[in-house]
Amino acid sequence: GNSVTQMEGPVTLSEEAFLTINCTYTATGYPSLFWYVQYPGEGLQLLLKATKADDKGSNKGFEATYRKETTSFHLEKGSVQVSDSAVYFCAPNFGNEKLTFGTGTRLTIIP
Amino acid sequence: DTGVSQDPRHKITKRGQNVTFRCDPISEHNRLYWYRQTLGQGPEFLTYFQNEAQLEKSRLLSNRFSAERPKGSFSTLEIQRTEQGDSAMYLCASSERTSGGAYNEQFFGPGTRLTVL
Repeated sequence: GNSVTQMEGPVTLSEEAFLTINCTYTATGYPSLFWYVQYPGEGLQLLLKATKADDKGSNKGFEATYRKETTSFHLEKGSVQVSDSAVYFCAPNFGNEKLTFGTGTRLTIIP
Repeated sequence: DTGVSQDPRHKITKRGQNVTFRCDPISEHNRLYWYRQTLGQGPEFLTYFQNEAQLEKSRLLSNRFSAERPKGSFSTLEIQRTEQGDSAMYLCASSERTSGGAYNEQFFGPGTRLTVL
């Protein structure tokens, strides 16, 4: 069946550190892949997306590449800021019209 | 465009009472989704509409839950005979499907936080 596994948190980093949040999926087909972010006190927002193999989504300094061979969509940022503190969700769309969310990774950046 | 709105933002009720939530999607978005998010978890799909037609319901949606989108615009989610396990954040999202069938992003509302005492 279709499923998503996301790196569990919480993750605490110092400002300007490198960030990776792992996301892998199991699918019978080729899903579209999304990262959503939830800042404190706010609703879910789309951070970036990729709809086919080898696509790279990017936004606000974050990047993720659709890796079909490893069924992964890891989120990376080269230098995190305090304002990046939030909960991040990996969310494939397995072609059945709905998003399947990972458990979320809470990220805290320390000045 | 003011985005997806939900009302109320917070609801506290006693077990056994009925509650109704409203979602106003982004205008002209033909798809509307309901999700439920419990503490420390990612959102879980409940149901979705294309225009006024409810096309899918999750097994999570027991017979105490009903959703409508009568005119293809706003939607309501009703929970009858609430239970403490219904306490969660209820999220609404909307999207538009391109003529090419691409999966556009879903835009989420702020959610309605339900507490059942």
